[in-house]
Amino acid sequence: DIQMTQSPSTLSASVGDRVTITCRASQSIGGWLAWYQQKPGKAPKLLIYKASTLENGVPSRFSGSGSGTEFTLTISSLQPDDFATYYCQQYNSYSPWTFGQGTRVEIK
Amino acid sequence: QVQLVQSGAEVKKPGASVNISCKASGYTFNIYYIHWVRQAPGQGLEWMGIINPSSDNTIYAQKLQGRVTLTTDTSTSTVYMELSSLTSEDTAVYYCARGRYELVLNDAFDIWGQGTLVTVSS
Repeated sequence: DIQMTQSPSTLSASVGDRVTITCRASQSIGGWLAWYQQKPGKAPKLLIYKASTLENGVPSRFSGSGSGTEFTLTISSLQPDDFATYYCQQYNSYSPWTFGQGTRVEIK
Repeated sequence: QVQLVQSGAEVKKPGASVNISCKASGYTFNIYYIHWVRQAPGQGLEWMGIINPSSDNTIYAQKLQGRVTLTTDTSTSTVYMELSSLTSEDTAVYYCARGRYELVLNDAFDIWGQGTLVTVSS
């Protein structure tokens, strides 16, 4: 199975900050990576797929980059609605699809 | 609108089985894969399995092989997930989710159900 490792596990930031989350794959996954946002008690929401393509309706302050084994999710200017947990997911090797352990973005 | 609506919370005893439904609406049911993902309390996301609603072909996580079964009812656009021989470690929120592109296996999940809490307790 491909292992996905996110860093940091928790991130403290203020409104307006630029925030970057890193996701590393245990082997190359090309560009087959997605990012999800999850708020407490809610289902995950797809933000980005194919490493850098923004899902419809997702604010442009979210961006993704990377290929192979290293990927980043960047929030250019953190908004109050962005405090949540973020997960990366690989779908290159589709059995099983695997997620990172999550990065919680909390208010500083 | 496009949505997946899951059945309600369940409380089960160890050793029992649980069956959760996921009803699709707003799109052509049989041309998108449906995945199941679970999340134990305070934990991350764990992929469980996938079903092709047009063929009923399935792939299951090796860890759950033999205990999980996915089925579809195309007449009601519903996918069912049955998990047997429950233990306390199966206590989690269970989600169904749709693959983003038509019948593409290596795909992200664009639409999620609201989640179903399953509690396993004696």
